[in-house]
Amino acid sequence: GAVVSQHPSWVICKSGTSVKIECRSLDFQATTMFWYRQFPKQSLMLMATSNEGSKATYEQGVEKDKFLINHASLTLSTLTVTSAHPEDSSFYICSAPLGQGPGNEQFFGPGTRLTVL
Amino acid sequence: AQKITQTQPGMFVQEKEAVTLDCTYDTSDQSYGLFWYKQPSSGEMIFLIYQGSYDEQNATEGRYSLNFQKARKSANLVISASQLGDSAMYFCAMRESYTGFQKLVFGTGTRLLVSP
Repeated sequence: GAVVSQHPSWVICKSGTSVKIECRSLDFQATTMFWYRQFPKQSLMLMATSNEGSKATYEQGVEKDKFLINHASLTLSTLTVTSAHPEDSSFYICSAPLGQGPGNEQFFGPGTRLTVL
Repeated sequence: AQKITQTQPGMFVQEKEAVTLDCTYDTSDQSYGLFWYKQPSSGEMIFLIYQGSYDEQNATEGRYSLNFQKARKSANLVISASQLGDSAMYFCAMRESYTGFQKLVFGTGTRLLVSP
């Protein structure tokens, strides 16, 4: 199956710093990628849809200035958590669908665990 | 309203027994897709099974089967012959046509614990 990678797999940072997380589709092109956030023992919450060559679409309640998304190429989307605070500590997962249609498989990255001190 | 509802926060099953994880969904679309994913403690999302809204037969993938009852809007996952390695979080998810079949929305999940 197709592979989606994320880097870094974990990061610890100080409050107030910015953190960039990369999501790459390794063997297919992804015009769309999705960013999810998962708090401990909770579900995956969709944060935004990353669109190659255009602005990301954010879900209601997600601060676009806080979570900057850039989809600069067909294989790379980045999520930057700006001025991170402890409440931003979470597990961030990206995914990319392969093809169109209701049954097309969506491939997930392994996730990035962010801890803000 | 919740798009995907999983009412069982936790389930226990003995090894080799079957277990059913419940999922109900809410959509006004005629065309949609339903998915089940497994998330072990490592955090990776593992695709288990897919059911299309127009599929007449219940989906099966090895020990996994999906009990699809369209009129009741339910898509329960049945795991037969449970194994210790099945202990994980299980998420039901849906993709609707009005989003271009792009967005995948998840339920709250069910934690399954398989005991020896």
